[in-house]
Parts: sequence; C-alpha cells; structure tokens
Amino acid sequence: NAGVTQTPKFQVLKTGQSMTLQCAQDMNHEYMSWYRQDPGMGLRLIHYSVGAGITDQGEVPNGYNVSRSTTEDFPLRLLSAAPSQTSVYFCASSYSHRGMGQTYNEQFFGPGTRLTVL
Amino acid sequence: QQQVKQSPQSLIVQKGGISIINCAYENTAFDYFPWYQQFPGKGPALLIAIRPDVSEKKEGRFTISFNKSAKQFSLHIMDSQPGDSATYFCAASIYGGSNYKLTFGKGTLLTVNP
Repeated sequence: NAGVTQTPKFQVLKTGQSMTLQCAQDMNHEYMSWYRQDPGMGLRLIHYSVGAGITDQGEVPNGYNVSRSTTEDFPLRLLSAAPSQTSVYFCASSYSHRGMGQTYNEQFFGPGTRLTVL
Repeated sequence: QQQVKQSPQSLIVQKGGISIINCAYENTAFDYFPWYQQFPGKGPALLIAIRPDVSEKKEGRFTISFNKSAKQFSLHIMDSQPGDSATYFCAASIYGGSNYKLTFGKGTLLTVNP
C-alpha cells in the first residue's frame, strides 16, 4: 500500500492563480481531511469528508473548495490564491475500528504539499 | 478560541532524560486524545492515544497521563533518545462518529541532545 499520497510536493503560485492539490489513499478509508500547518499554529482543519459525495467545512474553509467523487481521491482547490494561503498542506485519511470494546480512529497523514503564494 | 493549549513550545532534553509535554483542553465534550509525532519534512504520525476512562496509558517509553477533572493530559517520554527529536502535537476530538475532526495543539519542538 502506498498509503496517503499528495501531489505536488512543492508549488509556487502568484496571487490570483488557481490550482488543485491532489490527495489519494489506497486504504479504502471512509474519512478524509485537509489540514494546513503554519509555524506556531499547529494543524488546522480546512475541509473533511465522511464518504464519497459528502464534504463539510472545518475550522478554516475560506478560499478552499473540495469534492469527493470517489473513496480514493479528495482534491483541494484554491480558487484565487492569496499570500495568506502560503502554508504546508496535509491530507489525511482515517477509519474507525473496534478493539478492546472501544472504537478508535487513527488519522494517516500524507507527506504534505508546501505552497508559496507570491 | 484555542480549544487545545500545548506547552512548552520547545523543549531541550539530554539523552536519557524525561521529556514532558502538557496539554489542556476546554471543551468537555472532547473524549479522545491522541498524540502525533512529526519529523521534519514528513506528515504527522499517531504516537499514542487515550480515552478518559483511564488515567494513564503506556506504550514502551511513551506514557500519556490524563486528568479529567483538570482537563489536562500530558506526554512523558522516558529515557529520551536523539531519535525522539521531532515536533509533538497533542489533539482532541469528540468520540462517537466525529472523531476524525481533530483539534490540534500548536506543537512542541523536542530536541534531545546526545
């Protein structure tokens, strides 16, 4: 299994340009999420999906769109890039499993995309 | 409103020492508390997690201590090694269906000197 893959690894955009960050997972996980990581800010949830065709907003959704047409793919679209969107973006997938009488959830993160908006 | 507060921001420990990272949360509905470890240039990876029905969970050199009444939990790394040098994030979520929506602390950069 490749796990969670993200492309591209690095990207430089000019203000106003649009682009799509790709994310794919081959673990048949039902849940997928996008986070952004900024220095001193931790990871903040942008959008998430609980299954194909179902998406919802996280903590910082403005300026981003998502769709989930298949279980495997969860692309993140920047509609009109702004310097404030300079960040490292992580995609994650997760599932729930039961063990020892409890249900657990573990998120598996991709390697990240480092985006710079000039 | 920061729902999960993590301290310290950075920590330097000598090899063999104990590393302690603390987190406090505000939302009493949180009932799943994982810790993630992140090496430079990599995505975070789950290290250990706890639910509030236990006060402590240990996996090897890593232990989570949980204090429900104080709404605090901490990560202890015993016999810290240079290979433990990484950024550690605590997180919290609401169990029972939406525990994929993690709220993260701001992270602690741990450096273990040889």
